[in-house]
Amino acid sequence: KNEVEQSPQNLTAQEGEFITINCSYSVGISALHWLQQHPGGGIVSLFMLSSGKKKHGRLIATINIQEKHSSLHITASHPRDSAVYICAPRVDSNYQLIWGAGTKLIIKP
Amino acid sequence: EPEVTQTPSHQVTQMGQEVILRCVPISNHLYFYWYRQILGQKVEFLVSFYNNEISEKSEIFDDQFSVERPDGSNFTLKIRSTKLEDSAMYFCASNRETAYGYTFGSGTRLTVV
Repeated sequence: KNEVEQSPQNLTAQEGEFITINCSYSVGISALHWLQQHPGGGIVSLFMLSSGKKKHGRLIATINIQEKHSSLHITASHPRDSAVYICAPRVDSNYQLIWGAGTKLIIKP
Repeated sequence: EPEVTQTPSHQVTQMGQEVILRCVPISNHLYFYWYRQILGQKVEFLVSFYNNEISEKSEIFDDQFSVERPDGSNFTLKIRSTKLEDSAMYFCASNRETAYGYTFGSGTRLTVV
């Protein structure tokens, strides 16, 4: 069983749609990262959160530690948001990241 | 904004050859990491490094791999005798404290032929 599950694996939407990507995990964590991987391969850290909600521009990340679940939302999606979004919880015991398989998002104009 | 710099961006090497992947972490960061991503697969942790020594390593990080911080700025990953299955994107990352967010380099795509 995977320690981190992301859904959906693939998501295609029209420009302007509200996007939600979900992440569930089974281990004890101290924080959770959401990362964006561009088509060229580079990885950018979007958020690190350990409780509640964070917002940056059109991106919102939420986490419920008790339910071991986090979501990433994109409002007013745009084709430039097309990328793979990866959830990576940080394990409580050794501070290492465990990586989700990613959600491939395509936003069509 | 400070960046983690990786060189080269792409390296092609023959099986059995040694390769060194280079990273320049952000200057006031203390923790350094190497990850790899085989094409189409998840990112995998290789090793973390702090205070000039390895703090954690994964099962992937066997005797063929080594890391070094030779001069206080560069952080290198050496693969002694490359295998075809070492072909992957290798990412370097750093942070100031383990409780802080990570900054990733743009990766080195290693192709072993």
